[in-house]
Amino acid sequence: AQSVTQPDIHITVSEGASLELRCNYSYGATPYLFWYVQSPGQGLQLLLKYFSGDTLVQGIKGFEAEFKRSQSSFNLRKPSVHWSDAAEYFCAVVTGGFKTIFGAGTRLFVKA
Amino acid sequence: DAGVIQSPRHEVTEMGQEVTLRCKPISGHNSLFWYRQTMMRGLELLIYFNNNVPIDDSGMPEDRFSAKMPNASFSTLKIQPSEPRDSAVYFCASSLMDNEQFFGPGTRLTVL
Repeated sequence: AQSVTQPDIHITVSEGASLELRCNYSYGATPYLFWYVQSPGQGLQLLLKYFSGDTLVQGIKGFEAEFKRSQSSFNLRKPSVHWSDAAEYFCAVVTGGFKTIFGAGTRLFVKA
Repeated sequence: DAGVIQSPRHEVTEMGQEVTLRCKPISGHNSLFWYRQTMMRGLELLIYFNNNVPIDDSGMPEDRFSAKMPNASFSTLKIQPSEPRDSAVYFCASSLMDNEQFFGPGTRLTVL
């Protein structure tokens, strides 16, 4: 069965430090992969997506993610975190038939 | 475009009452999704439509929940009768084919 795993429920990083959020998926075919961000009281907003081609994708707000087929991973990275990045981050995979499966989310805390 | 529109933004009702949540997707999008988000269970897909047709309603928790999409620009999610455990934030999202989903601001439902 298709699934998305985000092993870290929450992560705390210092402002200016680098960030990596982990995401592993289980899906038999080539997946469409997404990262979304949710700020408090808001809906989810797309950060970036991977369909095919270059396995390193750039997104908004300085985020990037790398697709590694051999590891079934799509980890999200940012070289320098800002306090405004504090939010919850969701990894998602789109399977056949338009269904999107979301991970449980990782809440990011940023300390000054 | 105004984005995905949901109404009401907040709903407080008493147990046993009927609740109707409304969603207007982005014009031209052909898929529509209803999600429920709680602290305990995270983001759950309830049902999704493609070209106004329900494709997968396996996430609908009980027969008390029903969803309709009478046309491409409107969908409803109804709970009858409502129960306190239905309290959550309900999101509607729309997309075009397998592309990113655009989320509405959500409806915060409180059932007393």
